[in-house]
Amino acid sequence: QQQVKQSPQSLIVQKGGISIINCAYENTAFDYFPWYQQFPGKGPALLIAIRPDVSEKKEGRFTISFNKSAKQFSLHIMDSQPGDSATYFCAASTGGTNAGKSTFGDGTTLTVKP
Amino acid sequence: KAGVTQTPRYLIKTRGQQVTLSCSPISGHRSVSWYQQTPGQGLQFLFEYFSETQRNKGNFPGRFSGRQFSNSRSEMNVSTLELGDSALYLCASSPTGVGNQPQHFGDGTRLSIL
Repeated sequence: QQQVKQSPQSLIVQKGGISIINCAYENTAFDYFPWYQQFPGKGPALLIAIRPDVSEKKEGRFTISFNKSAKQFSLHIMDSQPGDSATYFCAASTGGTNAGKSTFGDGTTLTVKP
Repeated sequence: KAGVTQTPRYLIKTRGQQVTLSCSPISGHRSVSWYQQTPGQGLQFLFEYFSETQRNKGNFPGRFSGRQFSNSRSEMNVSTLELGDSALYLCASSPTGVGNQPQHFGDGTRLSIL
């Protein structure tokens, strides 16, 4: 049973456009929702994270929107750049001593065209 | 501060063999988690170690095992290798793995089974 569903699987955006990636979760015990960026040949790197008591968090061009009632959260990349081309993963964990066990979405491959 | 270091970066094995992968966490980090990444299954949690004890375990067969040493370095072992074990194995560390702490990933070990 997949607990975090991510969409779309792939996304092509023009330079300067907005990239939007969505995730939905099932386990209401999840209380930490990070997004990771992965380049080929590299491990995932933390981009931004949010807790469910916050509806939005912004760091530079990256924004997470969180809808607790709908059990959905999304990543918005403003002014997308070719260097943002990578695979993005949403994740969730339940915190406490289970914080080291993250459940990941299937990933979204983003291509930003110059 | 040095990041998470995984060795070796690449491994080629044949079916039936066993393999040991190594992970050195960020200095001061005591929680080490292991994930398997494949194109078909995405990122799947294997297990997490804290203070030399396995604290969390994913849904993998007993052929997959691990351990953690007193300096927090961790090893993962896979016995009786199968073709389906071909994957990128990622290690992630966090200070304590408790509460809302981001995980810091290494660049992985690419395991290929012939």
